[in-house]
Amino acid sequence: DTAVSQTPKYLVTQMGNDKSIKCEQNLGHDTMYWYKQDSKKFLKIMFSYNNKELIINETVPNRFSPKSPDKAHLNLHINSLELGDSAVYFCASSQVDSYSPLHFGNGTRLTVT
Amino acid sequence: QQQVKQSPQSLIVQKGGISIINCAYENTAFDYFPWYQQFPGKGPALLIAIRPDVSEKKEGRFTISFNKSAKQFSLHIMDSQPGDSATYFCAASMSSGYSTLTFGKGTMLLVSP
Repeated sequence: DTAVSQTPKYLVTQMGNDKSIKCEQNLGHDTMYWYKQDSKKFLKIMFSYNNKELIINETVPNRFSPKSPDKAHLNLHINSLELGDSAVYFCASSQVDSYSPLHFGNGTRLTVT
Repeated sequence: QQQVKQSPQSLIVQKGGISIINCAYENTAFDYFPWYQQFPGKGPALLIAIRPDVSEKKEGRFTISFNKSAKQFSLHIMDSQPGDSATYFCAASMSSGYSTLTFGKGTMLLVSP
């Protein structure tokens, strides 16, 4: 069983479109995250949710809107896509304990043309 | 966001050699230092982690050395194998309050056969 699964794996779209990435975890974790990995492999946190509540919202354009329908799901909706949004987006989950490891999904490669 | 500086950016090591990746941090409140390993097309996965109450932690061929006074920590991979070829990220976080991991920029390791 995949612990953290995200769909789709690849997403190719044109500028100006709206798209969503879905994430589900079956680990029973209460905290979920979205990270962005750019072309240079730098991992940057975007959002963090704990028990469906937004905890961290880093400096991310408001075109990005996370939605957590329950604590096992955290989806990412992106409006008006721009070329600079092209990256790999990773969903992750963990227990709220600071020493608990992050479990990452396998990423969604978003290409905006 | 507090920085974690990682070096080198890339590393080529012969099979059987020792791979060494270094990280330095600024925030003295950091008290958890994990290393993540990422293979192409996959999400990062926890490799090994250390807390500052010890100066070294070893798990198999992987060792973290921690120098609290210098605010530095490093990953040593003994007897490096081609299967160790991956991108390695150091990270740091605080256990107090709600803290997410701050990642270094990653090191691409290639172990040549």
